[in-house]
Amino acid sequence: DTGVSQNPRHKITKRGQNVTFRCDPISEHNRLYWYRQTLGQGPEFLTYFQNEAQLEKSRLLSDRFSAERPKGSFSTLEIQRTEQGDSAMYLCASSLKDRGRSGANVLTFGAGSRLTVL
Amino acid sequence: AQSVAQPEDQVNVAEGNPLTVKCTYSVSGNPYLFWYVQYPNRGLQFLLKYITGDNLVKGSYGFEAEFNKSQTSFHLKKPSALVSDSALYFCSTDSWGKFQFGAGTQVVVTP
Repeated sequence: DTGVSQNPRHKITKRGQNVTFRCDPISEHNRLYWYRQTLGQGPEFLTYFQNEAQLEKSRLLSDRFSAERPKGSFSTLEIQRTEQGDSAMYLCASSLKDRGRSGANVLTFGAGSRLTVL
Repeated sequence: AQSVAQPEDQVNVAEGNPLTVKCTYSVSGNPYLFWYVQYPNRGLQFLLKYITGDNLVKGSYGFEAEFNKSQTSFHLKKPSALVSDSALYFCSTDSWGKFQFGAGTQVVVTP
């Protein structure tokens, strides 16, 4: 198992363009999370999935952001009509939610995809 | 809402000295608390967690954390810091399936 993989590692785009990030989680993990991190801040929750179902999306998240996990394996995060304020590191994490245990899942993070909007 | 706070932006410590990184929490019910570490250009890595039981939790790389219910704290500690411990540390809590993170504390260990 190679851990959580994110691509591309760095994306530079012009304002108004669309970008898509991909995350490949650990294969046996059923939960997948997207976070955004800006300099000097902790990861900010965006959305998460259990298998292919999107369980929650941050109310602070613009409608320009959409995420999918169509087959319960890899996930994509798309940002439409990018703005300079979207510049950040986008982190993906996965975990195994064991039905027999309550909460306390440990997250395994990818290295992140850095977005720069010019 | 479940949340954690890290009151220090940066902690400076000399190599060999004890290291403490502070975290306080605001959680209804029984808290699930975590510490993660982030090295430059790397993803966050899990260090340790508190779910229930013993208030002193031991984790990776010689780190431990003490859960204090009366002070609503979960401070990360290491008895003898190494230069290689220099990194960004995040406290986190499980908030109904999603995780909330503190703003992070930069640890600088000088030789």
